[in-house]
Amino acid sequence: SQKIEQNSEALNIQEGKTATLTCNYTNYSPAYLQWYRQDPGRGPVFLLLIRENEKEKRKERLKVTFDTTLKQSLFHITASQPADSATYLCALDGYNFNKFYFGSGTKLNVKP
Amino acid sequence: GAVVSQHPSRVICKSGTSVKIECRSLDFQATTMFWYRQFPKQSLMLMATSNEGSKATYEQGVEKDKFLINHASLTLSTLTVTSAHPEDSSFYICSARSPQTGLGETQYFGPGTRLLVL
Repeated sequence: SQKIEQNSEALNIQEGKTATLTCNYTNYSPAYLQWYRQDPGRGPVFLLLIRENEKEKRKERLKVTFDTTLKQSLFHITASQPADSATYLCALDGYNFNKFYFGSGTKLNVKP
Repeated sequence: GAVVSQHPSRVICKSGTSVKIECRSLDFQATTMFWYRQFPKQSLMLMATSNEGSKATYEQGVEKDKFLINHASLTLSTLTVTSAHPEDSSFYICSARSPQTGLGETQYFGPGTRLLVL
C-alpha cells in the first residue's frame, strides 16, 4: 500500500529564513500532489497543487517541487514569518481523483 | 469562493447517544464529499467518500452502520455517529470537491467538528 512520509519532528527556523519541508512517498505514482496548511483545531487549507509533469510551482512566497524519480516533493516558504507557524500536510491523489492520502504533517515554528 | 462549513464545531455527548454532523458547501455544488477523522498529532484518515444521491463508499475498517453518511443534495452531507463511545472522540473533518472549472482537483475542507464522548 502507499506510504507517505513527512518529517514528524518540528522544524524550528528564524524569521526571514527559508523553511523547507519534505514529503516522500513509496508504492505509489500520484497524478498530482498537494500541500495544505493546518492550524490547531482547524481544517486544512489548500495551498498549492503540482502535477506529475510539472517540476516546480510557485505562489507568492511558496514554492513546491515534485520529483517523480525520487518520489519526493519539497515545500519552501521564503522570507518566513511567525504567522507561517503551522502544520503543513502533503496529500497525494491518483488518476481516479477519488481519494486523497495525507502525510502526518510537519509542524513549522518560525521564531521572531 | 469554495467555502465549506461544518456544524456543530464542538459537541459533547454521553456514551450511547448519536451525534449528527453537517457539512455544507456554501458557494459551489459538491458532487463528492469526504469525511476524515483526525486524532491528536496524527494525520487525516479518510473514513468515507460520499457522492450525491448514492451510497457512501467506506474505507477498510470503518463501520458503515456506526458512521452513517447521507449526501442528500449537492451542498449537504451529514455524518451520524451512532451509539457513540469514548473511543469515537476525535476531530471530524469534511471536505468537498467539485468538477467545476478551477475547482476540479482540489478538496476544500470544513473547519472540523470536535467530538467528545463521555
